[in-house]
Amino acid sequence: EAQVTQNPRYLITVTGKKLTVTCSQNMNHEYMSWYRQDPGLGLRQIYYSMNVEVTDKGDVPEGYKVSRKEKRNFPLILESPSPNQTSLYFCASSFHGRGLGDTQYFGPGTRLTVL
Amino acid sequence: AQTVTQSQPEMSVQEAETVTLSCTYDTSESDYYLFWYKQPPSRQMILVIRQEAYKQQNATENRFSVNFQKAAKSFSLKISDSQLGDAAMYFCAYRAPNTGNQFYFGTGTSLTVIP
Repeated sequence: EAQVTQNPRYLITVTGKKLTVTCSQNMNHEYMSWYRQDPGLGLRQIYYSMNVEVTDKGDVPEGYKVSRKEKRNFPLILESPSPNQTSLYFCASSFHGRGLGDTQYFGPGTRLTVL
Repeated sequence: AQTVTQSQPEMSVQEAETVTLSCTYDTSESDYYLFWYKQPPSRQMILVIRQEAYKQQNATENRFSVNFQKAAKSFSLKISDSQLGDAAMYFCAYRAPNTGNQFYFGTGTSLTVIP
C-alpha cells in the first residue's frame, strides 16, 4: 500500500530533550516536506526537500533540523525542544513534475507536546 | 512569500444542500497549482480537488467543484448535496512549480453539516 508513515504518532517530552520524528514514504517520491499545524494558523511549512541531500527552509524553520540521506526517509529533528513547538506535525511527499506529480500525500500526523 | 486567505473560519450547511467555501491567494506567478484538502476529525489530510492555473476549465470531482477566477485570484470550493461525512476542516493550498517544493496553506474553514 502506497503511504507516508510517521513515528511516533504521539509524543510528550520536556524542554531541552532532543527528539526525532521519523517520516518514510514508499512511493519513490522526490519531494518531501514537514509542516506544523496550529489552531487558527493552518499548516505552515517547516522544511522541504527536493531530493537526496537537497533541503531548504520553509516558512517556520527556526528550532528544527532535517536531513535527507535516503530518498524514502526525511526525519525532523528538534535539538532543544521548547513549549512553543507543541503542535501537530505532518510529513508529506510528492513526485517532481507536472500533473499528479504536484499532489502531496500526507502522513497521519504526530502530536507533540513539550512541557 | 505567497499568502492564501480563507476568510470564513466556520461554515454550516443543511444536509443535501450546497455550500461554497472561499479562498483567495496572492501571487505574481502565472503558472501554479491550487488545492483543496479536507481534514476530518481523524486529522488525516485528504486531497479533495486540484486545479492547474493554466487550465481555463474548472475542476470537478463528483459533488465537489471549484470556481477558479485567475484574474481575481479566487479559488472557491462548492460542495453539492452535502453529506454528514463532509463535516471537516477544509484547507485551501497553493504551489508554484518554479519555486521548488514550497506550499502555502490557508488557515482553514470548519464545515458543519446539519442533519
